[in-house]
Amino acid sequence: DVKVTQSSRYLVKRTGEKVFLECVQDMDHENMFWYRQDPGLGLRLIYFSYDVKMKEKGDIPEGYSVSREKKERFSLILESASTNQTSMYLCASSIAGGQGPGNTIYFGEGSWLTVV
Amino acid sequence: AQTVTQSQPEMSVQEAETVTLSCTYDTSENNYYLFWYKQPPSRQMILVIRQEAYKQQNATENRFSVNFQKAAKSFSLKISDSQLGDTAMYFCAFMSLSNDYKLSFGAGTTVTVRA
Repeated sequence: DVKVTQSSRYLVKRTGEKVFLECVQDMDHENMFWYRQDPGLGLRLIYFSYDVKMKEKGDIPEGYSVSREKKERFSLILESASTNQTSMYLCASSIAGGQGPGNTIYFGEGSWLTVV
Repeated sequence: AQTVTQSQPEMSVQEAETVTLSCTYDTSENNYYLFWYKQPPSRQMILVIRQEAYKQQNATENRFSVNFQKAAKSFSLKISDSQLGDTAMYFCAFMSLSNDYKLSFGAGTTVTVRA
């Protein structure tokens, strides 16, 4: 089975802290994604990556950055956490889009971040 | 991002009965994919069913089926013979084939199956 692992399920951080959310997938997927999930808003794409060292902005990249130094790992970085970044963060992965757009996207269990 | 609308924030259904979740979307594209994802209380999001826009036949996966109305831009999910394990939040999602295969999600519908 495909496994997408997010390193932390629950985090509490202070305003202004630098926060790292880590995600690892074990299926050699080319594509990796970071979403934010908020009640009433569904999932919104923050950043995605098609390959190592490549990244593309999603719909809400402001206040976030990402790093993909290795194929299996995609990190989301909050340079200076703010209270409006309190949310559930979901990592996902899939095989390359060139093999068919209907590819299943596999999600991690989510990281609930609270910024106080 | 494409607009995906789920107008029902919450739905409740008796075990063994049928429930239908609505989803509409807005696009000018002709080729795209539509999905329903399920997110149980454990939070692991899983794919329930997918539909290719070029296919007229509605997709079916066991007790889950869709009613895809392309002209109306509607994509509803029917859960038949509801089971307690179907209790979850359900998200409708749109995948553009001209925009890097990114997914746009609706706000979600929370389904509660009552014993």
